[in-house]
Amino acid sequence: AQSVTQLGSHVSVSEGALVLLRCNYSSSVPPYLFWYVQYPNQGLQLLLKYTTGATLVKGINGFEAEFKKSETSFHLTKPSAHMSDAAEYFCAASSASKIIFGSGTRLSIRP
Amino acid sequence: DTEVTQTPKHLVMGMTNKKSLKCEQHMGHRAMYWYKQKAKKPPELMFVYSYEKLSINESVPSRFSPECPNSSLLNLHLHALQPEDSALYLCASSPPGTDTQYFGPGTRLTVL
Repeated sequence: AQSVTQLGSHVSVSEGALVLLRCNYSSSVPPYLFWYVQYPNQGLQLLLKYTTGATLVKGINGFEAEFKKSETSFHLTKPSAHMSDAAEYFCAASSASKIIFGSGTRLSIRP
Repeated sequence: DTEVTQTPKHLVMGMTNKKSLKCEQHMGHRAMYWYKQKAKKPPELMFVYSYEKLSINESVPSRFSPECPNSSLLNLHLHALQPEDSALYLCASSPPGTDTQYFGPGTRLTVL
């Protein structure tokens, strides 16, 4: 069965520092992959998605993710963190008309 | 119109009440979803409607009853809920031929 693993339930970075949120999936066939962000008491907002083609995917708010089939990874990065990036981030993979979510990573930004 | 809307934003109900949650989208999406999300957890899939027909029921208790009256509207009827059903209920939709889901803002449900 498809599964998604997010390493680190909580990541804290300084404002202006690199953001790296890790995600690995388990599947013999590369699925569609997604990153969603959730601000407190709000729904999930799609940051970016990988379907086919270019392995480096650019999303909203300056985020990007790289699909690496050999490592079954889809890590999310942003070169310079902003205070407004503080939120919960979910990595997800499609599987049989469903989306399988990782457990989430809470990103905190230190002033 | 490029969004999924949900009403109400907040709902407080007793265990004997009957209430409904509403979800609407006008993007021509033909798949719609209900999720339940507890604090600090990822969303859990409850139901999937595809072309107005229920295609997935994740063994949800019968006190939750979904309804899809048309391609733009999805309801979740609630009856005799338990306090542990208190959660954020999220609706999502996806365009034909894709698995990309777009979420609404959610309804915060409290069962007393």
